[in-house]
Amino acid sequence: EVQLVASGGGLIQPGGSLRLSCVASGFIVSSNYMSWVRQAPGKGLEWVSTIHSDGATHYVDSVKGRFSITRDNAKNTVYLQMNSLRAEDTAVYYCVRIRDSGDQYWGQGTLVTVSS
Amino acid sequence: DIQMTQSPSSLSASVGDRVTITCRASQGISNQLVWIQQKPGKAPKSLMYAASSLQSGVPSKFSGSGFGTDFTLTISSLQPEDFATYYCQQYNSNPLTFGGGTKVEIK
Repeated sequence: EVQLVASGGGLIQPGGSLRLSCVASGFIVSSNYMSWVRQAPGKGLEWVSTIHSDGATHYVDSVKGRFSITRDNAKNTVYLQMNSLRAEDTAVYYCVRIRDSGDQYWGQGTLVTVSS
Repeated sequence: DIQMTQSPSSLSASVGDRVTITCRASQGISNQLVWIQQKPGKAPKSLMYAASSLQSGVPSKFSGSGFGTDFTLTISSLQPEDFATYYCQQYNSNPLTFGGGTKVEIK
């Protein structure tokens, strides 16, 4: 059974850092596209970042230079390192598996709140 | 970036109604479109990918169509569990982009 369990969210002051984790089971992370998508309170969905099976990474412009997506194949886990956090980064962050066909599986989210 | 425009932004419908939601891309995306359902307080769930392929476990009352720039999601007979917000998303090119959502409410 496919499962994605995200963790690492919390309350953080502006300018701070957090690392989100997404532990996968039922499939191999390194054989899939893995993405992070976020949703600000009461708002729609926004794609944040993707790591491809070949290791290539992509980011939405608003997080370039601040966020970094990586994976640990041994732990079958994807990470999102978030630095220089801003109030506008406040959101629920979802981990998503995307296959070449476009088939997607969404995990539950983890809430990040950036506030002083 | 490819802009995704959904319509309507909300609709009211009755149990048993046939409901259609449309999504338009600002440029051609082939069939690289996903439909996503989100219920209040829950994680999003993919319903369809490649515009018209049902995600595993999704009932056949959901159907999708379209190619290029214009796409539709149809729910053949609305049931109480279908009241939710629906999003389209293109995966033709980065950045992946979403429509603004369609909230389906009970009439």
